[in-house]
Amino acid sequence: DAGVTQSPTHLIKTRGQQVTLRCSPKSGHDTVSWYQQALGQGPQFIFQYYEEEERQRGNFPDRFSGHQFPNYSSELNVNALWLGDSALYLCASSLKQRIAYGYTFGSGTRLTVV
Amino acid sequence: AQSVTQLDSQVPVFEEAPVELRCNYSSSVSVYLFWYVQYPNQGLQLLLKYLSGSTLVKGINGFEAEFNKSQTSFHLRKPSVHISDTAEYFCAVRPGQGAQKLVFGQGTRLTINP
Repeated sequence: DAGVTQSPTHLIKTRGQQVTLRCSPKSGHDTVSWYQQALGQGPQFIFQYYEEEERQRGNFPDRFSGHQFPNYSSELNVNALWLGDSALYLCASSLKQRIAYGYTFGSGTRLTVV
Repeated sequence: AQSVTQLDSQVPVFEEAPVELRCNYSSSVSVYLFWYVQYPNQGLQLLLKYLSGSTLVKGINGFEAEFNKSQTSFHLRKPSVHISDTAEYFCAVRPGQGAQKLVFGQGTRLTINP
C-alpha cells in the first residue's frame, strides 16, 4: 500500500522564479494538506484541498496556490520565489478532511531558493 | 490563536533511560492533540493522538502521553529509550472544532547516547 508520494525530492530555484511541487495521496485518501517546514521549525499549514477545492488556508500570501485533480493528487505552486521560501514542503493526506483519523505525511520536497 | 509550546528544544538521554518530552498548548475549547516523530530526511510519522476519553494514550514504539486538561499539557514519555529513538518530535493541536489543520510546536530533538 503506497503512502504519500512527493516529487521532486530536492529542488533549487532562483529568486523570482516559479515552482510546482507535486503530491500523490495515500491510497484511499481524498484530502490533501500542504505544510511548510522552515529549518529548525515545526510545520506550518499552507492550505487544504478536498473535492478539488481549497477548503482552508493558513497565513500565506497569494503567491502560494494549489490545485487538486480528480484522482486526488495535488500541486503546490509558488510564484515570485523569495529566499525565505526555502524550506521543506510536506504534503499530508487524510480521509474526508478528518484530522481525527490522522494525517499520513510524505517525505517532503526540499526547496532551496538562491 | 491556538499555540503549542514544546518546553525543551533538545533533550539528551542515555540509552535505556526514561524520557519525557514536554508540551503545553493554549486552548479554551476541546482539542485534539498529537505527537509526531520525524527521522532525518523523512516526513512526519504519527506516534499517538488524544481525541477524547482516557487521558493516558498509548502509541507506537512504546511511547505514551498523558492529557492534563487543568495544566493544558500533553507530555510524551517512554520508560526506556533506544538509539533508534533519536529523532525530532513534534507536538500538535487541532485548533478548535471544525478546524481541519494542525498547529505544531517548534519540535524537540531527542538524542540518545550509548
